[in-house]
Amino acid sequence: GAGVSQTPSNKVTEKGKYVELRCDPISGHTALYWYRQSLGQGPEFLIYFQGTGAADDSGLPNDRFFAVRPEGSVSTLKIQRTERGDSAVYLCASSPGPQGSGYTFGSGTRLTVV
Amino acid sequence: AQKITQTQPGMFVQEKEAVTLDCTYDTSDQSYGLFWYKQPSSGEMIFLIYQGSYDEQNATEGRYSLNFQKARKSANLVISASQLGDSAMYFCAMRGSSGSARQLTFGSGTQLTVLP
Repeated sequence: GAGVSQTPSNKVTEKGKYVELRCDPISGHTALYWYRQSLGQGPEFLIYFQGTGAADDSGLPNDRFFAVRPEGSVSTLKIQRTERGDSAVYLCASSPGPQGSGYTFGSGTRLTVV
Repeated sequence: AQKITQTQPGMFVQEKEAVTLDCTYDTSDQSYGLFWYKQPSSGEMIFLIYQGSYDEQNATEGRYSLNFQKARKSANLVISASQLGDSAMYFCAMRGSSGSARQLTFGSGTQLTVLP
């Protein structure tokens, strides 16, 4: 597509539930990144995919968070047993490769855990 | 580890005036990239400008320029002729070249308000 698409744009879930957030990157972009942005702060890195594999998942806060990119395009961020502290905007970005300046961000998914 | 520091939580500027948003960084990488993004209230991250650590000239993109001072580890954004539509949150970010430093590390941002 023309840009990075994230769905849903908003998600409200109850504490303890499981959620999936989807990112559809720009066609042909091999690198995909997930970030989490809490209110009033800058985005924080979660995980980076190069192709189908997670090249770096050092930013995932704990084992409740998991992400996949099975065919090297669409990625899904999965959060188990959600907690109120997981409430944030989850941003996805893609780039043609791991270097360079060509990062494009999606509009984000605003997750609210009640 | 990489770190980006933005010391101005909020800035005000009069329309048509120039404004400088401060950014300092810390990294042990020899090769790195510096970025500025704009985030309006709608939430999308809009790329503004990029400076590579080996670029000798300061980057410019229209009304945006990056004042890169490598020895001082600073990468300030200068917006000339401010417009009302420039009101937004501005983030400085860097990407290193080693290990987990390849991902963008962001600062805490500066909220810019342009006054009519």
